Amino acid sequence: ETGVTQSPTHLIKTRGQQVTLRCSSQSGHNTVSWYQQALGQGPQFIFQYYREEENGRGNFPPRFSGLQFPNYSSELNVNALELDDSALYLCASSYQTQLRIQYFGAGTRLSVL
Amino acid sequence: AQRVTQPEKLLSVFKGAPVELKCNYSYSGSPELFWYVQYSRQRLQLLLRHISRESIKGFTADLNKGETSFHLKKPFAQEEDSAMYYCALSDYNFGNEKLTFGTGTRLTIIP
Repeated sequence: ETGVTQSPTHLIKTRGQQVTLRCSSQSGHNTVSWYQQALGQGPQFIFQYYREEENGRGNFPPRFSGLQFPNYSSELNVNALELDDSALYLCASSYQTQLRIQYFGAGTRLSVL
Repeated sequence: AQRVTQPEKLLSVFKGAPVELKCNYSYSGSPELFWYVQYSRQRLQLLLRHISRESIKGFTADLNKGETSFHLKKPFAQEEDSAMYYCALSDYNFGNEKLTFGTGTRLTIIP
């Protein structure tokens, strides 16, 4: 059983640029959630995808968008990067009927300069 | 809106001493509470959930709806318990699962 994998592990961008982060779900999982974790804070829910559609969203602006593919892998896209977007981005996968158990990836550390 | 509060950012405990990590929540419905743990250089992982009513690695947590608390306890701390601990609340609505996390408590066990 493979776990949740995220790429890249680290990324440096400048303000105004766009970024795409990738996540492969744990085998057998059909739901993906994305979280943002700023330094010294707990993870904050960005959105969730199920069956390739957004299935709930946290308090993040529209420049945060995502995709889920037929193989249940997922992307997080952030446009017009701001300095405050610097954070660790976590992907978590789960199975729809067992949603309360989420399995996390190691995260992508994004630095915006 | 739901909120999870962990009042201690840092907690140091001697090996063999009891451990209690505090967690309080606010939520209008029937909450489901979790403790997640992150050991050094490892990913965030589920430690325990209140509906399971189980003890994991010697840790237990009881949901107290009157005090809106879900404190994590262990009677005798071990060095391998040193980690970052997050309390989280589940907001399950129409098939959408959202976890709300506290800010975390870094537990250090002193040998």
